[in-house]
Amino acid sequence: EDQVTQSPEALRLQEGESSSLNCSYTVSGLRGLFWYRQDPGKGPEFLFTLYSAGEEKEKERLKATLTKKESFLHITAPKPEDSATYLCAVQVTNFGNEKLTFGTGTRLTIIP
Amino acid sequence: NAGVMQNPRHLVRRRGQEARLRCSPMKGHSHVYWYRQLPEEGLKFMVYLQKENIIDESGMPKERFSAEFPKEGPSILRIQQVVRGDSAAYFCASSPGPQGRTDTQYFGPGTRLTVL
Repeated sequence: EDQVTQSPEALRLQEGESSSLNCSYTVSGLRGLFWYRQDPGKGPEFLFTLYSAGEEKEKERLKATLTKKESFLHITAPKPEDSATYLCAVQVTNFGNEKLTFGTGTRLTIIP
Repeated sequence: NAGVMQNPRHLVRRRGQEARLRCSPMKGHSHVYWYRQLPEEGLKFMVYLQKENIIDESGMPKERFSAEFPKEGPSILRIQQVVRGDSAAYFCASSPGPQGRTDTQYFGPGTRLTVL
């Protein structure tokens, strides 16, 4: 069974204090790993897709990286507006199986 | 560019009533997915539909739940005879269909169902 585990469950940082969120996965074959951001009371907002080990993608203060077993979301010099829950999801290789399997998320709070 | 639209945003039902949740995909998207988010749990896949076809319903409860995506109009997730355990946020996502290596799903704002 495909599994996604995110850690930590919650993280509080001071504004400007860089850190990383972890997403470890166990799947039969990875087609893509996705990062989403979710604000309270809203739907997940797409951030990145990663396809293969060694790949990296960046957007503003966020950088996502991928290995064969896990992905990291690095946040550099965060601001209060980066506070949200960050979700990781995987999609497996057999086409026709389009569903995303999500982790339970990391709730990030940036303190001014 | 309108995103995925869901309505209603909030829905209150009494036990035993029916709930109908609607989802209009992004313009140009022909694939729709429904997910459920229970309190303190992650998003769980329920069903994947294309126009007039259910492609994967492996995450749907066997009873009381059904989904459709007609040729015209929004996708509907229908829950009959609701119970308190159905209280959750229901999210719809849409995608244009597999392009290259994968197919990004874009989510709507969700419908929060409360069963009294």
